Formats: sequence, C-alpha cells, structure tokens
Amino acid sequence: SQTIHQWPATLVQPVGSPLSLECTVEGTSNPNLYWYRQAAGRGLQLLFYSVGIGQISSEVPQNLSASRPQDRQFILSSKKLLLSDSGFYLCAWRPRGNEQFFGPGTRLTVL
Amino acid sequence: GENVEQHPSTLSVQEGDSAVIKCTYSDSASNYFPWYKQELGKGPQLIIDIRSNVGEKKDQRIAVTLNKTAKHFSLHITETQPEDSAVYFCAAFLYTGNQFYFGTGTSLTVIP
Repeated sequence: SQTIHQWPATLVQPVGSPLSLECTVEGTSNPNLYWYRQAAGRGLQLLFYSVGIGQISSEVPQNLSASRPQDRQFILSSKKLLLSDSGFYLCAWRPRGNEQFFGPGTRLTVL
Repeated sequence: GENVEQHPSTLSVQEGDSAVIKCTYSDSASNYFPWYKQELGKGPQLIIDIRSNVGEKKDQRIAVTLNKTAKHFSLHITETQPEDSAVYFCAAFLYTGNQFYFGTGTSLTVIP
C-alpha cells in the first residue's frame, strides 16, 4: 500500500532562519507531488508541484523553493523565514490517475 | 484557470439529520471532483469523488452529485453523527493544468 510521510510534525523557527521540510512517498513510483500551505482558517494554497525528478512548477511567488532530488522525495525550503510563512504545510501525491492523497502535515510557527 | 466556490462556510445540524454542502466551478474542462474531510491538526482525507462522466455516486451515508451543465456538485451526508464534525473541502481537477482547485471549506458541526 502507498503511504506518505512528512517531517517534522511541528516546527518553531525564528524569523530569518532557514527551513527544510521533507516529504516522502512509499509504495508508488513516478507520482505527481504537491506542496500546499494552509494558513489559520481553512483555505489550501498550492505552492509547488512536480511531475518528475528535478521538475518543479511554482504557483505563488514567495521566498520558498522546492526540490525533488529523488522520485519519491519532495523538499520545501527557505533561506530566510518570514512571519507570514507560519502555517500548516501539506504534502500531497497523486498517482498517474486522478486521486490526490495528503500527508499528515507540518505545523510551522515563525516567531 | 479554474474558480471553485463552496457554500456554506459553516453548517450546524442535529445528530441524525442530513447535511448538504454545495460547490460550483467555472471551467468546463474540469473532469474530476473529490471531497475531503479534515479533522483538527490533520491532513485532509479523501472521502468520496466523482468523475465528469457520472452524475451521482454513493458510499454508505455519503453521496456526491454532479451537474455538468450547471457546473455544480454537492456532498450529501445522511444520518449525521458527531464524528462527522470536521472541515470539508471540495475540489475540481483541471487536467489541462495538472492542478486541483479547492473550495474554501465548510466547517460542519453535528450537535448530539
């Protein structure tokens, strides 16, 4: 069966510090991978998606970046965090069909 | 691109009653419509979905209907239970952009 992992589960970082969030998928190959952010409230904002290794599409200009160094690994990074980067970060994967499945999320608080 | 609107933003029902959440979309090229349930502090969970070639789909107490002509789809939960309390999201998949477009969510409270 397929599973998706995210870590860390929670993170508290000072403004101006770097960020690295990791997402890995098991039990599938060549999935589409997505990073979303969910601010306080409910909406889901698509940040990046990837259809393959090294292929990243950015949907929102910001100080975040994404990389896909391996087929089942998707990393979200920042060189300098802003207060506005606080939120709930969700990784999602989609096999070569339609369904999209979300990971457990990372709660990021920037102080 | 696609624009998905979701109503209502909050919904309270008595246990045992039905709940209906409605979404509209703008791009007729969207061809897949999932619904997600998100509990506090967790990632959204896919609960039911429907493809554009189907008008209705049911899974126990949950059903989804799709009207392609009117570009709207709805989630129906019957015999609601307190554990149905959560935030529900609708989404539309636009295959031309390889992206999901989400509604703004509905916070459902089932009152025991």
